[in-house]
Amino acid sequence: DQQVKQNSPSLSVQEGRISILNCDYTNSMFDYFLWYKKYPAEGPTFLISISSIKDKNEDGRFTVFLNKSAKHLSLHIVPSQPGDSAVYFCAARGTGNQFYFGTGTSLTVIP
Amino acid sequence: NAGVTQTPKFRILKIGQSMTLQCTQDMNHNYMYWYRQDPGMGLKLIYYSVGAGITDKGEVPNGYNVSRSTTEDFPLRLELAAPSQTSVYFCASSYPTSGRTLSYEQYFGPGTRLTVT
Repeated sequence: DQQVKQNSPSLSVQEGRISILNCDYTNSMFDYFLWYKKYPAEGPTFLISISSIKDKNEDGRFTVFLNKSAKHLSLHIVPSQPGDSAVYFCAARGTGNQFYFGTGTSLTVIP
Repeated sequence: NAGVTQTPKFRILKIGQSMTLQCTQDMNHNYMYWYRQDPGMGLKLIYYSVGAGITDKGEVPNGYNVSRSTTEDFPLRLELAAPSQTSVYFCASSYPTSGRTLSYEQYFGPGTRLTVT
C-alpha cells in the first residue's frame, strides 16, 4: 500500500523554464515532508523540506508547496538547469520517525 | 569527514547464503536507517535505530536483522538469502532537530547492489 505517490514517472523541461514535480499522500498523520534528488549509482541527497504547519518553503531556485487539505505537495524549480536532471523523490515522516518515499520522478532538463 | 559509508558496493549471493551489509557514519548522528529500493520503486524502510542499543522494524523487516552496538555502525544482516531480496540497499543517518531549526533530513550512503540467484 503506497502511502506516498508520485504519479508522473518522468518529466522533460526546457532549460530556463519551470519544473513542477508533484506528490500525493494518503496519511493525514504525516507531519514533515522532504524532497530528495538522486543521481544514478549514488544515494539520495536532501534538497528541501517543509513542516505540516507551513504551506510554503523556499530555498534559492527550489520551492516546496504543501496543500494539507488535498494531501498534495509540489516542488517547483525555477529556472531549471541541465544539472537538475535527476530522479526526485518525495518523502513523508510518519509515526515513530518512520519515513515513506514515493516512487520517484525522473526529470530531464533539455539545454 | 566521509559521511555515510557502505560496504560492499556490489555482491552476488546464492539462495540460502547469508551476509552482512556494513554501514558506518562519522557525523555522530543518533538516528540510522536501512532502506531497500527495488527497480521502479521508492525506498522502503527495513529497520531503523534511534541510538545505540535501540532498533525498530520498518515497513519491510522480514528476512533481515540489525544491531546497533555503537553510534557509528549499523550493520544489516541477511539470513537465508532469497531472490526477493535482490535490490539496492541504502543506509542513512540523521540528527533530528526541533524548534525553529526543525529538520529531519537524512544523509545517505552510496548504496549496496545485491543480487540473489
